[in-house]
Amino acid sequence: DTAVSQTPKYLVTQMGNDKSIKCEQNLGHDTMYWYKQDSKKFLKIMFSYNNKELIINETVPNRFSPKSPDKAHLNLHINSLELGDSAVYFCASSRQGQPQHFGDGTRLSIL
Amino acid sequence: KQEVTQIPAALSVPEGENLVLNCSFTDSAIYNLQWFRQDPGKGLTSLLLIQSSQREQTSGRLNASLDKSSGRSTLYIAASQPGDSATYLCAVLSTNAGKSTFGDGTTLTVKP
Repeated sequence: DTAVSQTPKYLVTQMGNDKSIKCEQNLGHDTMYWYKQDSKKFLKIMFSYNNKELIINETVPNRFSPKSPDKAHLNLHINSLELGDSAVYFCASSRQGQPQHFGDGTRLSIL
Repeated sequence: KQEVTQIPAALSVPEGENLVLNCSFTDSAIYNLQWFRQDPGKGLTSLLLIQSSQREQTSGRLNASLDKSSGRSTLYIAASQPGDSATYLCAVLSTNAGKSTFGDGTTLTVKP
């Protein structure tokens, strides 16, 4: 199936841990994104990569580090997790100027 | 800085009604505007994308319009059905910042 896939779907972990979320798209898109949706359902962009290069880096703590090994993958690594990091994280991809396609989200809960 | 506002925040209608969702943005220097649907606990599904040079797009019972000069877009849903119940989000891709800014969404409930 052609899609944007994220793993894991659920992530429950303790404060202070380091975790990664993986994202892969097989749509041939050249741009990938990470968004955060908080408990109030507000959706905010975090990062955007175009052809493996970082093009958007919003005001995000440097505990969050995206990694793009190739155009089809954009992973998100989070160090020293805090309670406020609890949210749903969405990966998306697109061709420039074309519709964005979203993954199903990763629900991160910090204990 | 682009700001996107969606009104109303919530809307409840009986089945069969036609309805309009509104999206306004402050910076008219946009590349495109996209409407999404999000079901509870799910990801976002793209409904319609309007390029800055276009005035409207249609897909089935959905029609989205764009008035760039006034900073407004509307999503028209005809003959609403209970299955249309979801949160509808608009996202504006700004040419200056090169990123999409999302509105806070309108939560629609269509009652049988």
